[in-house]
Amino acid sequence: GEDVEQSLFLSVREGDSSVINCTYTDSSSTYLYWYKQEPGAGLQLLTYIFSNMDMKQDQRLTVLLNKKDKHLSLRIADTQTGDSAIYFCAGLNQAGTALIFGKGTTLSVSS
Amino acid sequence: GAGVSQSPRYKVTKRGQDVALRCDPISGHVSLYWYRQALGQGPEFLTYFNYEAQQDKSGLPNDRFSAERPEGSISTLTIQRTEQRDSAMYRCASSATGGGTYEQYFGPGTRLTVT
Repeated sequence: GEDVEQSLFLSVREGDSSVINCTYTDSSSTYLYWYKQEPGAGLQLLTYIFSNMDMKQDQRLTVLLNKKDKHLSLRIADTQTGDSAIYFCAGLNQAGTALIFGKGTTLSVSS
Repeated sequence: GAGVSQSPRYKVTKRGQDVALRCDPISGHVSLYWYRQALGQGPEFLTYFNYEAQQDKSGLPNDRFSAERPEGSISTLTIQRTEQRDSAMYRCASSATGGGTYEQYFGPGTRLTVT
C-alpha cells in the first residue's frame, strides 16, 4: 500500500521561503494533498494537485510534483509567524476511499 | 457555511466502557470518513461511507470498532470495551462527492482518553 514520508522539522526566519518535502510510494495516487494543523485545531486543506500536473500555484503556496521520483513539495513564500504549524502530505489510495498521510512536518517560524 | 462538526470534543472514559463519537458532515456531502490520529503521527484511515453505505472498513483495527451512518448524514463511531491503546484523536471528514477531486474537509476531532 501507499507509504508517505516527510522530514519531521523545519525552522525558518520570518520573510524567508519554506520548502516542505514529501515522498510517496504509490505511483497510482491520482491526487496529492497538503493539510495544515495548528495547535488545538482541526486539519485544514491547503491545496492539492492532480497527478498529471507538475506545478500548482495558489497565492503564497506553490506545489511541485515530480512523478518520476515520487516527490512532492510545498513552498511557502514570505513565511509568516502565523504559518507555524504541522504540515501533512497525503495521497489518495488506489480505491479513492482514503487519504494516506505522512507523519507531518513541524514548521517553526522565528521573527 | 458550517463545517464538519464532531461531538464530544473531549471524552474521558474508563477501560472497559463503550463510547460513541458523533460526526455531522457538511450539509450535502455524500462521503464521510473516519480517521484516528495518535500523538506525533498523521491521521490513519478507519472507514468510509458513501451515503449510508459503508464501502470501506479496512482500517478498523478490530471488531470492537464499528461505525454507522443510517440516514446518509450523521455518523457514529462506536468503540466497545475500550482499552488504553484506543486513546487518540478521532477525526471525521466529509467530501462532496465520491468522485472528482475527493477534497476531504475535516472536523475538529474528538480527543478520547481511556484511563
